[in-house]
Amino acid sequence: AQSVSQHNHHVILSEAASLELGCNYSYGGTVNLFWYVQYPGQHLQLLLKYFSGDPLVKGIKGFEAEFIKSKFSFNLRKPSVQWSDTAEYFCAVNAPRTYKYIFGTGTRLKVLA
Amino acid sequence: DAGITQSPRHKVTETGTPVTLRCHQTENHRYMYWYRQDPGHGLRLIHYSYGVKDTDKGEVSDGYSVSRSKTEDFLLTLESATSSQTSVYFCAISITSGGSYEQYFGPGTRLTVT
Repeated sequence: AQSVSQHNHHVILSEAASLELGCNYSYGGTVNLFWYVQYPGQHLQLLLKYFSGDPLVKGIKGFEAEFIKSKFSFNLRKPSVQWSDTAEYFCAVNAPRTYKYIFGTGTRLKVLA
Repeated sequence: DAGITQSPRHKVTETGTPVTLRCHQTENHRYMYWYRQDPGHGLRLIHYSYGVKDTDKGEVSDGYSVSRSKTEDFLLTLESATSSQTSVYFCAISITSGGSYEQYFGPGTRLTVT
């Protein structure tokens, strides 16, 4: 069965620090990969996605993620975080042309001003 | 926000009572989903729909039923609410993009079962 692992459950950083959140998935075939962000009290918003092509994808608000097929990973990065990045981040996977998604358990990021 | 609304946004109910949550979309999307979000569990799929009257179970469907009598509405019913169903419920739709699908979420319904 497909699964998604986010090993960092809670991360605390100071402003301007660099961020990397891990995401690993288990699925033998081609996958589509997503990162969602949920700000406090709000719904999930799509941050970035990978379908095919360049494994380094850029999303909104300066976030990027790198797909490494050999490692089954899709880690999220940001060179310099801001206080406003405080949120929960979810990695998700689905198989192309299917309509079911598997989400990780989320990583709660707190950025200290 | 992909034109998704959920109602009610907050509800407190007693154990054993039936509860229906509504998801409404304005853009005629085919696929709709109900998830629950709980600390430490992320989002878990309850039920999904791939068309009017076409629904299927997700990973945590016990105790829940759904109906979709028209494209724009997807209803989630807790037949007899239990405290374990206290959660935040999100509706989502899928939009085709480049050969695959992207999900967009509604604002959520916070349900408390006392």
